[in-house]
Amino acid sequence: EVQLLESGGGLVQPGGSLRLSCAASGFTFSSHAMSWVRQAPGKGLEWVSVFSGSGGYTFYADSVKGRFTISRDNSRNTLHLQMNSLRAEDTAIYYCAKNVGYNPQYFDFWGLGTLVTVSS
Amino acid sequence: DIVMSQSPDSLAVSLGERATINCKSSQSILYSSNNKNYLAWYQQKPGQPPKLLLYWASTRESGVPDRFSGSGSGTDFTLTISSLQAEDVAVYYCQQYYTTPPHAFGGGTKVEIK
Repeated sequence: EVQLLESGGGLVQPGGSLRLSCAASGFTFSSHAMSWVRQAPGKGLEWVSVFSGSGGYTFYADSVKGRFTISRDNSRNTLHLQMNSLRAEDTAIYYCAKNVGYNPQYFDFWGLGTLVTVSS
Repeated sequence: DIVMSQSPDSLAVSLGERATINCKSSQSILYSSNNKNYLAWYQQKPGQPPKLLLYWASTRESGVPDRFSGSGSGTDFTLTISSLQAEDVAVYYCQQYYTTPPHAFGGGTKVEIK
């Protein structure tokens, strides 16, 4: 059974940092691209970042480029998102999502999400 | 970047009736070499993460009831719920994966019971 468990969310002041983690199980982690998708309160879905399977490449949304860094540890089946210089508009539920296959395509499984609140 | 738009923003449908949601991409997401449309549909119920319903525009994910169907090609797509059930109350999103980055989502369509 596929499981994705996010952690690391919380309340942070503007300009601060947080590191999100996603623990994966139930599938061959290294064979799948993995993404972060966020959802601001009462809003729609916004793709944030993707890391291809086996560490090939990464991409970021323009809204987070230069501030967020995605990483993965295939030995520990874990995905991370380092978020720096946080802004109020980064407030959202952050979902870890499993892409189908090595390259980014559609998302066939999502975690429950972790809430990040950026506020003074 | 490809921009995805959905219509309507919300709709109310009687139980057992048909619900139709439209999704439009700013450029074609049909890949000519394999004749596949790079479009997925997701369902998000209140307080839950999104759930994959359809991919390649019309292929149902395992376990998804056959009252959910997808159609369209190129730039215009439709998600149809043939006979709305109470458990189908949710927000529905389309998403293109023709180009990366970004994986653009539509703005969502909220489906309610009339």
